[in-house]
Amino acid sequence: QKEVEQNSGPLSVPEGAIASLNCTYSDRVSQSFFWYRQYSGKSPELIMSIYSNGDKEDGRFTAQLNKASQYVSLLIRDSQPSDSATYLCALRTYTNAGKSTFGDGTTLTVKP
Amino acid sequence: DGGITQSPKYLFRKEGQNVTLSCEQNLNHDAMYWYRQDPGQGLRLIYYSQIVNDFQKGDIAEGYSVSREKKESFPLTVTSAQKNPTAFYLCASSSGDQPQHFGDGTRLSIL
Repeated sequence: QKEVEQNSGPLSVPEGAIASLNCTYSDRVSQSFFWYRQYSGKSPELIMSIYSNGDKEDGRFTAQLNKASQYVSLLIRDSQPSDSATYLCALRTYTNAGKSTFGDGTTLTVKP
Repeated sequence: DGGITQSPKYLFRKEGQNVTLSCEQNLNHDAMYWYRQDPGQGLRLIYYSQIVNDFQKGDIAEGYSVSREKKESFPLTVTSAQKNPTAFYLCASSSGDQPQHFGDGTRLSIL
């Protein structure tokens, strides 16, 4: 089992819809969780960090963390074609010397 | 502006040649990382360094070497022992519990 699992997609949603991206992880002591957006041919860009259970909202983005169920999700409201990218889930634990573990990413396409 | 600078943006390697990818940061971050990304794949950790003059192997260190003589700099050498070096190489840095931030990457190809 991979440490971080994401559906590879592609996930396709119409413009204006809510896109839901999910990530599960295996290490129960995971501490910090991050979502990155990566456009084709570009480097990952941090869009959200979440450290405690519950929801965290930033503009059209909401990150949701449930440590008991070991999942973290990213909701994108009012999806725009410019949101079309690969979204990487990453986590950090107390025991991995500051390293982050990345999922393979979910590719999102928002259709006009 | 603070950030992470990777150079060159594109690099070509001849067979049997070692090449060095540059990574410089002015964010005063303690930790620096090198990742490799193959087309359609996730990030794989090559090497990381938490302090100057110290570094550790990641998951795919074979065929690569690094140095960390200065806090700001973490160059990666792709040696001739790396038989499949064509990939997108990403450098990142972080401080404390903060997330990693990435440079723009170097795309390496074989001639």
